[in-house]
Amino acid sequence: SAVISQKPSRDICQRGTSLTIQCQVDSQVTMMFWYRQQPGQSLTLIATANQGSEATYESGFVIDKFPISRPNLTFSTLTVSNMSPEDSSIYLCSVGGGGTSGDDEQFFGPGTRLTVL
Amino acid sequence: GQQVMQIPQYQHVQEGEDFTTYCNSSTTLSNIQWYKQRPGGHPVFLIQLVKSGEVKKQKRLTFQFGEAKKNSSLHITATQTTDVGTYFCAGYNTGKLIFGQGTTLQVKP
Repeated sequence: SAVISQKPSRDICQRGTSLTIQCQVDSQVTMMFWYRQQPGQSLTLIATANQGSEATYESGFVIDKFPISRPNLTFSTLTVSNMSPEDSSIYLCSVGGGGTSGDDEQFFGPGTRLTVL
Repeated sequence: GQQVMQIPQYQHVQEGEDFTTYCNSSTTLSNIQWYKQRPGGHPVFLIQLVKSGEVKKQKRLTFQFGEAKKNSSLHITATQTTDVGTYFCAGYNTGKLIFGQGTTLQVKP
């Protein structure tokens, strides 16, 4: 299994600002995913980020609000732009188990707990 | 859109009692995965089921995948306090993993 780290682990931000979350993996992986989890709730997929291509966003999430970079096979960033209190959540990155089809198990980072005032 | 429903939302049991959580999908799944999230932690992969009617065991945990590949269950025998957490099923179909709402298990010692 991959070891995944995220920075920052938590942050408190002001409305209207942006925050970039970093996700670092200890091995090269094809598929990386970004999820949002509101406290006590399930996980909602924001986008799939594959190296060398544009991220694929799920319904309800747009690139202008959540731009994603994937510069190499071990790193990705998610930016939460022009934040509002509704963006307060835990943001998790995950990586696929190694296959390229996307149906493998996923390994999650520790998450970034974001509070927007 | 595709939905994965999970029940119950919460379950409180006495240590030593059994526990079951159920997962149902609105569509046929390629596979179903189960994850456990401890309080304050991140989801940790437990198992993946692929075949129709598949049953897998991990010590006191038994996982089943329905014949129609639309439902699944996780059964824990003789719960322990270390089983506390939220158990999520996640169904894979059409290129992505859809998570159920999760079942939060509390175990009273």
